[in-house]
This record gives sequence, C-alpha cells and structure tokens, in this order.
Amino acid sequence: DTAVSQTPKYLVTQMGNDKSIKCEQNLGHDTMYWYKQDSKKFLKIMFSYNNKELIINETVPNRFSPKSPDKAHLNLHINSLELGDSAVYFCASSQDRTQYFGPGTRLTVL
Amino acid sequence: GQNIDQPTEMTATEGAIVQINCTYQTSGFNGLFWYQQHAGEAPTFLSYNVLDGLEEKGRFSSFLSRSKGYSYLLLKELQMKDSASYLCAVRTGGGNKLTFGTGTQLKVEL
Repeated sequence: DTAVSQTPKYLVTQMGNDKSIKCEQNLGHDTMYWYKQDSKKFLKIMFSYNNKELIINETVPNRFSPKSPDKAHLNLHINSLELGDSAVYFCASSQDRTQYFGPGTRLTVL
Repeated sequence: GQNIDQPTEMTATEGAIVQINCTYQTSGFNGLFWYQQHAGEAPTFLSYNVLDGLEEKGRFSSFLSRSKGYSYLLLKELQMKDSASYLCAVRTGGGNKLTFGTGTQLKVEL
C-alpha cells in the first residue's frame, strides 16, 4: 500500500539519450510535484500539477517535460540528457499543505 | 528572492537535546516546514508552523518567529535513529510552493 511510488529507482544512461521517470500516488491527492536533489543534497522544486494542470514551472531547461495523464500520475520526460542532470529526482503529492515524497529515482548520466 | 540558512552539520550525544536553527528571508511567507531525510531515502514530514510559537509533537518540537524570520527544530531524548538530514522549507504565496534550505546533517553519537 505504497502512497507515492516512482519507477525506476535507479537509472543509468548515456549523455544524449532520452529517458522518462514515472510517478503514481494512491492518496487521492490533487497536486503532484517533481523535485531535483543534487549532489549537495539541495532539494529544489521543478514542476507542480494540480488536477492535471501545470501550476508551478520553475526555471528548468525545456529538455524537461512533465506530463500528467490523470491526477494520480505525473511523469517526467528528459530529452538529450546531460552530465549535469545526474541527481535524485523526487516526486511528491499533497492535498492541502503537507507534501508526501516518493522514494526517489537516482539518475546517473555517463 | 528567497534565502534560507541552516547549519551544515551538527553532532550530539544519544539521550541529549539538540536544537537546529533555520533563518529565512522571503516574500509572501505562508508557513514553515521541517522534514527529516535519512540517507538514500525520501524526505518525511515532521512539523508545520504558520503562527508564532511552539508546536510540540512527541520528542520533536518546532518554533517559529515570523518577525525575526527564524525557526528551530528541537529534538529531545536523542536516539541513534535520529541521525539524518533535517530540512527547513518555507511555503510562499497562495499556492504550495516550498523552498528548501540546504539541510542540516545531524549525527548522533554514543
């Protein structure tokens, strides 16, 4: 009965490839988020969707494209991967103010 | 812009009390969160303050002074399992955008 789940947990790929990370929540929350945590453990918001509508879109390269097919899912597609994209990507969801995080996807770009 | 400061590292003894400080400078302040993150895991919610004062929850308490832009997390009766990173996050505006500090790595020793 996982609340917020992400796949895959680990992703190792070559520079220039395109990859996707999937997120699903079974909490019935209306809002979902993508965060990036870099090697210095700094956690930064990238995107947020509320009921499939994009509401937060931080300064992120347009190689990153979120997609929300329904309010329980928020996927992140990354084109033309670069070395600097290596990080842990966390998905989160919330109904009101408290955000609940998924287990993270560790992306390594070689 | 937003600025959130926390000490990078702290060390404390099992059974003791430790206070982790967070100072912030933001516009549109709408609440402050504390999250705990064990190595390799997701951040988990600890506490939320939006009004001045102390919120107590078991061994953990969190304090907020909005006029001073200051919060602290107090951990009592420290246990080895409390060794983790503690993230201060400020909510701004009417939405649910969180800006995180860089986190404080707490090490609990025997």
